[in-house]
Amino acid sequence: SQKIEQNSEALNIQEGKTATLTCNYTNYSPAYLQWYRQDPGRGPVFLLLIRENEKEKRKERLKVTFDTTLKQSLFHITASQPADSATYLCAAGNFNKFYFGSGTKLNVKP
Amino acid sequence: SAVISQKPSRDICQRGTSLTIQCQVDSQVTMMFWYRQQPGQSLTLIATANQGSEATYESGFVIDKFPISRPNLTFSTLTVSNMSPEDSSIYLCSAVTGTSGNEQFFGPGTRLTVL
Repeated sequence: SQKIEQNSEALNIQEGKTATLTCNYTNYSPAYLQWYRQDPGRGPVFLLLIRENEKEKRKERLKVTFDTTLKQSLFHITASQPADSATYLCAAGNFNKFYFGSGTKLNVKP
Repeated sequence: SAVISQKPSRDICQRGTSLTIQCQVDSQVTMMFWYRQQPGQSLTLIATANQGSEATYESGFVIDKFPISRPNLTFSTLTVSNMSPEDSSIYLCSAVTGTSGNEQFFGPGTRLTVL
């Protein structure tokens, strides 16, 4: 079955630095990868989508890459702020069905 | 975009009983989904709620345990039947508007505890 893996260990970084989160997938060839932010007690909120024929996508301080050879997506937050502290989920999918990773918790320290 | 509400937001239920969770979207959407999320775990897709027809279930989930309805383009329900403590989890509804690959909008979730 398909497997979406994210680093389960929390990522702790200093304010102003770039946070990089990793998402790997196996037994699967997704047409899309999505990244979501989830705060405690809330549902996930969509951030970015990247298609398999796209190498990189940017939105303000966010950047996501999609490497179909490595079967990996990287999610970057530049100039990180304490308000960016949350759990970030990767989702891989085809059509409109997506499978989620368990998320990586990001802590940005002032 | 779409705003999704869920009812109830939380509930504590006795073993062997059933709970129906409602999901309401503020606009017509093409697809609706139900997920389960254990604390600290990933979202696990339960099923796709199909408007006017039977839901499509993922491996490990069956209609008798998780009956789903979707009578129109803005509303769906998920019933957790004959509950056991293992069903304690957060249940999330999501919706997709427009074409393939679009973002999913999520409801706030229903936190279920089964005693």
